[in-house]
Amino acid sequence: DSGVTQTPKHLITATGQRVTLRCSPRSGDLSVYWYQQSLDQGLQFLIQYYNGEERAKGNILERFSAQQFPDLHSELNLSSLELGDSALYFCASSVAKGTDSGNTIYFGEGSWLTVV
Amino acid sequence: AQKVTQAQTEISVVEKEDVTLDCVYETRDTTYYLFWYKQPPSGELVFLIRRNSFDEQNEISGRYSWNFQKSTSSFNFTITASQVVDSAVYFCALSEANSGYALNFGKGTSLLVTP
Repeated sequence: DSGVTQTPKHLITATGQRVTLRCSPRSGDLSVYWYQQSLDQGLQFLIQYYNGEERAKGNILERFSAQQFPDLHSELNLSSLELGDSALYFCASSVAKGTDSGNTIYFGEGSWLTVV
Repeated sequence: AQKVTQAQTEISVVEKEDVTLDCVYETRDTTYYLFWYKQPPSGELVFLIRRNSFDEQNEISGRYSWNFQKSTSSFNFTITASQVVDSAVYFCALSEANSGYALNFGKGTSLLVTP
């Protein structure tokens, strides 16, 4: 158990809908990362927040947004869903801003999203 | 361009065999970090090891060992005396300043260990 908690574990929704994925980082971790894992794209970095502020952006679509709240939990919002958004979405956390501090990024168990 | 290449898509071995998973990376940074993660069939990503670019010492942890060679930009992972529980997808990842230290993953190597 990495200590990173993600909900829901599984989600099935229709095209055009909007969903919210939730993440609670490990106790003491200030950074939260979101990754998407799909068969064709592999593991892709979406976005990172550090202590409530956006720190880095990866291949995140404009239809997707995220935020980190004062209690450090984070939410990833996916809107106008398309079939191609079906994927496993990981949340990860680390103590510091990034691995440059030598710290490690720990991943949650992921949220399986199926768009039908 | 792919920054982390795991050329082996799938490997199948019989239990107790040794197996090496290859990882080749590409970076212009002098300071960077390399990682291995394991993804068992249940889906979670399990951290295995982190290595920084200034530390080329090989590491051994039980049946796992890692060989980091900057000269060949490789960070290979060896499992000795493999077990069925080692069956998983293994990902190598690179973290560098250019990308804000976000993890850049390879495509993964699927390892199947059969009894």
